[in-house]
Amino acid sequence: NAGVTQTPKFRVLKTGQSMTLLCAQDMNHEYMYWYRQDPGMGLRLIHYSVGEGTTAKGEVPDGYNVSRLKKQNFLLGLESAAPSQTSVYFCASQGLGYTFGSGTRLTVV
Amino acid sequence: DQQVKQNSPSLSVQEGRISILNCDYTNSMFDYFLWYKKYPAEGPTFLISISSIKDKNEDGRFTVFLNKSAKHLSLHIVPSQPGDSAVYFCAASDGGNKLVFGAGTILRVKS
Repeated sequence: NAGVTQTPKFRVLKTGQSMTLLCAQDMNHEYMYWYRQDPGMGLRLIHYSVGEGTTAKGEVPDGYNVSRLKKQNFLLGLESAAPSQTSVYFCASQGLGYTFGSGTRLTVV
Repeated sequence: DQQVKQNSPSLSVQEGRISILNCDYTNSMFDYFLWYKKYPAEGPTFLISISSIKDKNEDGRFTVFLNKSAKHLSLHIVPSQPGDSAVYFCAASDGGNKLVFGAGTILRVKS
């Protein structure tokens, strides 16, 4: 099925550990986004990309890095995880509208 | 400071009745508004949108109303069905590609 695939779906990290969340889309979209969803806060934009090789900061970029080496993939990295990064992370790609992945639930203990 | 606000965290409605979800915004540059629906363990999916040149857009059971002077929009679902139970996010754009989302409203439709 065409769409946006996020891996992993769940992850538990210890404080200070690092990890990478992968987002893959097969719709040939230029624009891709990473959001986090927290209770009472809605979806907040972390980083986004307007095309292969480009990235830009969103509303809450601190503690995260991203890369867009291939058009279909947008990676979100946490170099040193903190409990404040416990959240549900959603990737989206944009054609006529946004298509979201099913999310990654990350817990940092 | 949240630019898009959904002040009701939750709403409970009887099946067959009308559901009204509200959204307020503060940025006068927003000119395109969307509603997304989210089920547990799934990503948000697009529901309906409205441009600032309109004050109403209808799609089946779903209607979105926009009051630009009040910076307010609402989503009406008539008649409400149990399958409509989900989290509803209001989102806005200023003409760029980025969307600003509200905090969401949990809708429960009771059968």
